[in-house]
Amino acid sequence: QVHLVQSGAAVSRPGSSVKVSCEASGGTFTKNAFNWVRQAPGQGLEWVGRILPSVAITNYAERFQDRVTITADTPTATVYMELSSLTSDDTAVYYCATSAEYFQNWGQGTLVVVSS
Amino acid sequence: EIVLTQSPGTLSLSPGERATLSCRASRSISSYYLAWYQQRPGQAPRLLIYATSTRATGVPQRFTGSGSGTDFTLTIDKLESEDFAVYYCQKYGNSPLFSFGPGTKVEIK
Repeated sequence: QVHLVQSGAAVSRPGSSVKVSCEASGGTFTKNAFNWVRQAPGQGLEWVGRILPSVAITNYAERFQDRVTITADTPTATVYMELSSLTSDDTAVYYCATSAEYFQNWGQGTLVVVSS
Repeated sequence: EIVLTQSPGTLSLSPGERATLSCRASRSISSYYLAWYQQRPGQAPRLLIYATSTRATGVPQRFTGSGSGTDFTLTIDKLESEDFAVYYCQKYGNSPLFSFGPGTKVEIK
């Protein structure tokens, strides 16, 4: 069982970037795929992208392709998601989750608020 | 792109009743690639069922997944107070790699 702990809430200005972290413990870091899933207030779940640290491969949802970067730091077992060119529509809770063909373990979520 | 739809949007039931939730895909998907999640207010989603019908660790037997092709079902027998939540189906594969249905809210009648 992988335990995921995410960074705290963030407030960012429109047009800026935000970087959220997710530290993993338990299990072997490089044996997992790490994903980011977001949830806007009162809305459903939306997959943003994933990284496979073992091979440094990333996959992104098409709508985020141009402004999201997911990275992994194996020595610290931490995954990062940076989202740029923020708008108010990016206000959401961002979850880190491990996956096979489904999402097994979830972080506690990080609230990102985009506001001027 | 394969789109998932869920019905009903809201299900109003009493404790002890059975809940039947539907997830329909716009094209056929492998049964291996369909999962269900439960999300309680203020909490992260929790994996309930994967590969259409396999319960995740610690999930009670009152939760049953079934289906194939384009039609999948999550059944909750004898609803308990902790089961009132939002349920999402999710598919894997094609573009986007992962996608979710819009959710079904199971509320207390």
